[in-house]
Amino acid sequence: NAGVTQTPKFQVLKTGQSMTLQCAQDMNHEYMSWYRQDPGMGLRLIHYSVGAGITDQGEVPNGYNVSRSTTEDFPLRLLSAAPSQTSVYFCASKTGYYNEQFFGPGTRLTVL
Amino acid sequence: QQQVKQSPQSLIVQKGGISIINCAYENTAFDYFPWYQQFPGKGPALLIAIRPDVSEKKEGRFTISFNKSAKQFSLHIMDSQPGDSATYFCAAIWRAGTASKLTFGTGTRLQVTL
Repeated sequence: NAGVTQTPKFQVLKTGQSMTLQCAQDMNHEYMSWYRQDPGMGLRLIHYSVGAGITDQGEVPNGYNVSRSTTEDFPLRLLSAAPSQTSVYFCASKTGYYNEQFFGPGTRLTVL
Repeated sequence: QQQVKQSPQSLIVQKGGISIINCAYENTAFDYFPWYQQFPGKGPALLIAIRPDVSEKKEGRFTISFNKSAKQFSLHIMDSQPGDSATYFCAAIWRAGTASKLTFGTGTRLQVTL
């Protein structure tokens, strides 16, 4: 199993550009989520999904869009990138309420 | 608003010493408390977790102590090793409709010196 994979590993954008961060998992987990990690703030939940076709907002959803058309994939779209979105983004998946949440290796995004 | 408060921000411990990281929460809806370990350039990985009906859980050199009445919990790393140098996050899970949400503390950067 590859676990949770994320692409790209690094990305530099200009303000106003849009892009999609890719996330895929091969563990057949129904629950997937996106976090951003900023210094001194821990990880904050952006969006999550409890299954294909079902998504919901987390703590910091503004400026981001998600969809879940398959169990395996959960892309995160930045609609119009802003410098405040410079961060490290992590995708995660799990199955079951108390089960371990597995994180991907992250995407480091810089918005100029 | 940080729902889980974590301290200290950074910690330096000598090899063989005990590392202690503390967390506090207000939301009584939290019903599961995991700790994550993160090495530079990697995603967080689950280290150990506890339910609030248990006061202590031990796995090898790692122990969680949980005080439900004080709404506090802590991670103790016994016989700390240089390989334990990482950032540690406490977290809490609560039920949100059909989903569970995970909220993190701000992290503690641990450095274990020789």
